[in-house]
Amino acid sequence: EVQLVESGGGLVQPGRSLKLSCAASGFTFSNYGMAWVCQAPTKGLEWVASISTGGGNTYYRDSVKGRFTISRDNAKNTLYLQMDSLRSEDTATYYCASVRYNSFAYWGQGTLVTVSS
Amino acid sequence: NIVMTQSPKSMSISVGDRVTMNCKASQNVYNNIAWYQQKPGQSPKLLIYYASNRYNGVPDRFTGSGYGTDFTLTINSVQAEDAAFYYCQRIYNSPYTFGAGTKLELK
Repeated sequence: EVQLVESGGGLVQPGRSLKLSCAASGFTFSNYGMAWVCQAPTKGLEWVASISTGGGNTYYRDSVKGRFTISRDNAKNTLYLQMDSLRSEDTATYYCASVRYNSFAYWGQGTLVTVSS
Repeated sequence: NIVMTQSPKSMSISVGDRVTMNCKASQNVYNNIAWYQQKPGQSPKLLIYYASNRYNGVPDRFTGSGYGTDFTLTINSVQAEDAAFYYCQRIYNSPYTFGAGTKLELK
């Protein structure tokens, strides 16, 4: 069974950093692209970042370029999102997702990030 | 960047009805569209990829169609468990933009 389990969320002050993790199991992690998607409270889905199978190609939405870094460790079956210079508007639930057919086929349960002083 | 516009924002439907919701891309995205369902308190689930391909285990009452800039998700004979938000997404090329969603409520 495919499982994606996010961790690392919490309350953080504006301007500080946070690193999210997504532990994958039930599939060959290294064979699939991965992504992070966020959802602010009561709002819709927003794609945040994506990474290729080997990690050599990364893509970001404009609002996080230069502040967030997506990475992966295929030996540990884990996806990461390093979030720096956090802003209040980054407050959201962050989901990791695995890519099939260029779509986000499997999703974790999400981890909540709250940016507030 | 391509903008994905969904309509209507919400709809109220009776069980057994047929429902159609729309997704319009601001530029040609060919068939590079996915549809997702999200129920309250749950993670999204992939329904349709490449505009018209039903994902594993998705009931055949869900049908996707369209090409270019105009796309449609149709649910035949809506069931109570279909009450949810539905999102379209541009896929294949970054940015992988989502639409704002359509809320489907059951009367």
